[in-house]
Amino acid sequence: SAVISQKPSRDICQRGTSLTIQCQVDSQVTMMFWYRQQPGQSLTLIATANQGSEATYESGFVIDKFPISRPNLTFSTLTVSNMSPEDSSIYLCSVAGTALSGANVLTFGAGSRLTVL
Amino acid sequence: GIQVEQSPPDLILQEGANSTLRCNFSDSVNNLQWFHQNPWGQLINLFYIPSGTKQNGRLSATTVATERYSLLYISSSQTTDSGVYFCAVTRLAGGTSYGKLTFGQGTILTVHP
Repeated sequence: SAVISQKPSRDICQRGTSLTIQCQVDSQVTMMFWYRQQPGQSLTLIATANQGSEATYESGFVIDKFPISRPNLTFSTLTVSNMSPEDSSIYLCSVAGTALSGANVLTFGAGSRLTVL
Repeated sequence: GIQVEQSPPDLILQEGANSTLRCNFSDSVNNLQWFHQNPWGQLINLFYIPSGTKQNGRLSATTVATERYSLLYISSSQTTDSGVYFCAVTRLAGGTSYGKLTFGQGTILTVHP
């Protein structure tokens, strides 16, 4: 399967600041997604990162709060803006459509664990 | 949206025991995956199994799509099997992208030596 690198792996942030998470894949992928996992909870899809166009957000998530970029087929960023303690979560990048894993299989990065004070 | 229910929510085993985890879903799916989240938070894909049966070592999975459930079998459990097991699906109807997974709440597995 694809190797997905996320940075930072963890961070402690101050209320009101913004943080950008990077996701780098070692091969071109068809689709990239961003998920959130709040403490003790399951995963929820934030948005689909579309190459060369605006991301597609799920209900409850908006571009002003979670701006996403995807400049090419191997890289994407997620910014968590104007953070509050409620944004403390693990943010995970996932990809589908690699040559090794197949079109329908999602592979996840190791996640970025954010704590907002 | 589609509902995904996993059972049991918690499971405690002695090393060497076998277990079965269940995932029920409320609609037809075109993607079903089982994941293991280890204590460090890494999500590992175990099976892509929208239908049928697959085996990988001590793990196997069966999905009966017509009855809308999937089972994950763990045999001869080891302490390293501890963690959270998630079932995740994509609804078939409406052309939903296979990548837009809806996750169940997970089964927390603890294996004692």
